[in-house]
Amino acid sequence: QVTLKESGPALVKATQTLTLTCTFSEFSLITTGMRVSWIRQPPGKALEWLARIDWDDDKFYSTSLKTRLTISKDTSKNQVVLTMTNMDPVDTATYYCARGSGDGYNFFFDYWGQGTLVTVSS
Amino acid sequence: SSELTQPPSLSVSPGHTASITCSGDKLGDKYACWYQQKPGQSPVLVIYQDSKRPSGIPERFSGSNSGNTATLTIRGTQAMDEADYYCQAWDSSTAVVFGGGTKLTVL
Repeated sequence: QVTLKESGPALVKATQTLTLTCTFSEFSLITTGMRVSWIRQPPGKALEWLARIDWDDDKFYSTSLKTRLTISKDTSKNQVVLTMTNMDPVDTATYYCARGSGDGYNFFFDYWGQGTLVTVSS
Repeated sequence: SSELTQPPSLSVSPGHTASITCSGDKLGDKYACWYQQKPGQSPVLVIYQDSKRPSGIPERFSGSNSGNTATLTIRGTQAMDEADYYCQAWDSSTAVVFGGGTKLTVL
């Protein structure tokens, strides 16, 4: 059974850099077609996609946040790491990692982690 | 535009059909998928590639996509279907885009 789990600090201060780790199992990012994304959801609000990394190290970022985001992978540990710089209270959200499937325009998330709530204090 | 627009809320009586729409520029030229999210839980994929159901998703869930609108249809809606529903598509300019979500109330 595919699983993903997010880890990282529950509380960060404004202007700090957030580092989140997604640890997954039962698939590998060295396998052709495998992809992992980060998605966040502020309390009571909609889902917002942040970034994606593919098996071939292709990377994609949210247009509005790309200057603050970096996504990377450690295939030996089955982990994907997201860093977000210059955190602000509006970045308070539950952060999810999810496995991406499909290709081209047919792209969807078939497995999601449980999410981790990150609160940004001023 | 790469935005996806959903109605914020929808109410349906038990046993009736719920249709949740998702509108976007030339959405029918892309693929749409749908997620169900219950309070305190992670989203669950219920429809992908416009109309396909993942294993374990009840047959009462179906999807379609044409023109500028994708639709998630739930036939014989049950109380357990009460949740937030999000559409999602891949756009060549903005990569992944989610709709704003629709809160489905079964009453």
